[in-house]
Amino acid sequence: EAQVTQNPRYLITVTGKKLTVTCSQNMNHEYMSWYRQDPGLGLRQIYYSMNVEVTDKGDVPEGYKVSRKEKRNFPLILESPSPNQTSLYFCASSLDPGGQTEAFFGQGTRLTVV
Amino acid sequence: GENVEQHPSTLSVQEGDSAVIKCTYSDSASNYFPWYKQELGKRPQLIIDIRSNVGEKKDQRIAVTLNKTAKHFSLHITETQPEDSAVYFCAASLNQAGTALIFGKGTTLSVSS
Repeated sequence: EAQVTQNPRYLITVTGKKLTVTCSQNMNHEYMSWYRQDPGLGLRQIYYSMNVEVTDKGDVPEGYKVSRKEKRNFPLILESPSPNQTSLYFCASSLDPGGQTEAFFGQGTRLTVV
Repeated sequence: GENVEQHPSTLSVQEGDSAVIKCTYSDSASNYFPWYKQELGKRPQLIIDIRSNVGEKKDQRIAVTLNKTAKHFSLHITETQPEDSAVYFCAASLNQAGTALIFGKGTTLSVSS
């Protein structure tokens, strides 16, 4: 089944404790991206990647890191999480390297930083 | 950078009525405009998209129109049904390296029967 898989689905952590949210797609898509969703603010892009080893900042990259060592994986890293990073996070992938085809979203990761 | 404004933020209609959601974008070079639907507790899913070389696109009860001169695009849902209740997001992007997909803040559509 074609899908984007994120883990974990739910995570509660403490301020400053490094964490990684994994994202994997099995559709051989070129483009992958991370979004955060907050009430009243919609979906805001954090980082995106058009190909292996190619990543770029989206709208709200501060406090986040990403890597794209393999085509299928695009982990999101929070080196020192803070409470303002409490949010619902979505990973997405698209076939087109420019992101101009349908984006397939993962199930979401609800992160709480206390 | 690109900025996308979406209106209204909430919309309530009666079953069978039409619903229209409007978005404006700031960068005239944007050329791809998708619409996503997110049901409560679920992931966003693409419902329709349009490219800048097309003025209108339809898929059954939904349609999208694009006015490049005015830099706005709209989602039209006809004969609304309760299962159309969801949050709808518009987005815009440029097909250039180093650009992102920018979403509007979303419209919560409620269809009452």
